[in-house]
Amino acid sequence: AQSVTQLDSQVPVFEEAPVELRCNYSSSVSVYLFWYVQYPNQGLQLLLKYLSGSTLVESINGFEAEFNKSQTSFHLRKPSVHISDTAEYFCAVSRLTADKLIFGTGTRLQVFP
Amino acid sequence: SAVISQKPSRDICQRGTSLTIQCQVDSQVTMMFWYRQQPGQSLTLIATANQGSEATYESGFVIDKFPISRPNLTFSTLTVSNMSPEDSSIYLCSVEPQGIGGGASGYTFGSGTRLTVV
Repeated sequence: AQSVTQLDSQVPVFEEAPVELRCNYSSSVSVYLFWYVQYPNQGLQLLLKYLSGSTLVESINGFEAEFNKSQTSFHLRKPSVHISDTAEYFCAVSRLTADKLIFGTGTRLQVFP
Repeated sequence: SAVISQKPSRDICQRGTSLTIQCQVDSQVTMMFWYRQQPGQSLTLIATANQGSEATYESGFVIDKFPISRPNLTFSTLTVSNMSPEDSSIYLCSVEPQGIGGGASGYTFGSGTRLTVV
């Protein structure tokens, strides 16, 4: 079975500072990896995903995540955050063969001015 | 990616009653998923719904409590039956875009139904 661990439940950071949200997964088979964002009182939006190929994936709003197979990690980073990045971030995995998403417990990113 | 219309967006219900949540997708998809997000928590999968077959429920969820219909490739309903305050949550449907198995395209989510049971 797959599992996802998000080590930090909350990450407070000042605007324009760098941030890293950690995600580790456990699986006996290859998986796809995702980061979803949930802004206050809104639904889930896909931020970025790793399927295959380059281990570094980027989103359109400056976030990036790197798949590290040896460390079974998929940490999310942004070099300079904005107030508007305040949201809940969920890491998730799915098996390669047509399957459900398994979510981590989420990390609340709070950006302060 | 697929566009999902989920309704109602929110409801307040009396305990002991039932609520049916609908999800309509703008394209045909093979698999639809129903999740629950309890207050302040992550998403937990309730069941997977494939068209033409019985839904597959995760541990801790049963068909009598959460009956699901999947009459065609663009529509599904989840009913929360005999509700209690513990059922107060956000319920979300999700699809794997373009009906391709394998999770290759990233899953799309409906906007959610915020249910409060009083």
